[in-house]
Amino acid sequence: DAGVIQSPRHEVTEMGQEVTLRCKPISGHDYLFWYRQTMMRGLELLIYFNNNVPIDDSGMPEDRFSAKMPNASFSTLKIQPSEPRDSAVYFCASTGTGESYEQYFGPGTRLTVT
Amino acid sequence: LAKTTQPISMDSYEGQEVNITCSHNNIATNDYITWYQQFPSQGPRFIIQGYKTKVTNEVASLFIPADRKSSTLSLPRVSLSDTAVYYCLVGDEVSGAQKLVFGQGTRLTINP
Repeated sequence: DAGVIQSPRHEVTEMGQEVTLRCKPISGHDYLFWYRQTMMRGLELLIYFNNNVPIDDSGMPEDRFSAKMPNASFSTLKIQPSEPRDSAVYFCASTGTGESYEQYFGPGTRLTVT
Repeated sequence: LAKTTQPISMDSYEGQEVNITCSHNNIATNDYITWYQQFPSQGPRFIIQGYKTKVTNEVASLFIPADRKSSTLSLPRVSLSDTAVYYCLVGDEVSGAQKLVFGQGTRLTINP
């Protein structure tokens, strides 16, 4: 398996623009997670899905952020409108039921909002 | 989820054994202890998990005393490539297993 795939790897956009980050989990995994990492706040869980259903979105910072998982092999995290404070590295991770704490992280998307 | 405390940074040299200790005084009966490693510009990677006593795999060993209020990650004979941030996490499989809470981690620097 190629592991968790994220695209794009880098994104530079202007304030106010819509940004869409994409993730393909490892085949067979039924949990998918979105994290954000910044120097100030560290690594934060934004939302996670189980069998394509959002389970906990308490980490989503505000209504400008939304996440979807239309099928088992694809998820998006959208920011609309984007702001400079959204600049961070966004990670997607996946794991399977019964695999406990072993989540598999993607390479991340580095987002810069100017 | 139980809060963890670990040193912010550590330095060592190639070939040495490195021990990183994590404090988790409020660990619950059902909680497991898990360690992740993160290299620069990469996502975290699972290293090891344990409940009590000692666990060893090809990468590291995890020592957990009887009271489970702390744990020690041991990296044998480190190399420059072990320079990374190491995170200690605690949580149970029912409510915490699918919700990892990362602290600030320990930034380990290995010198030649």
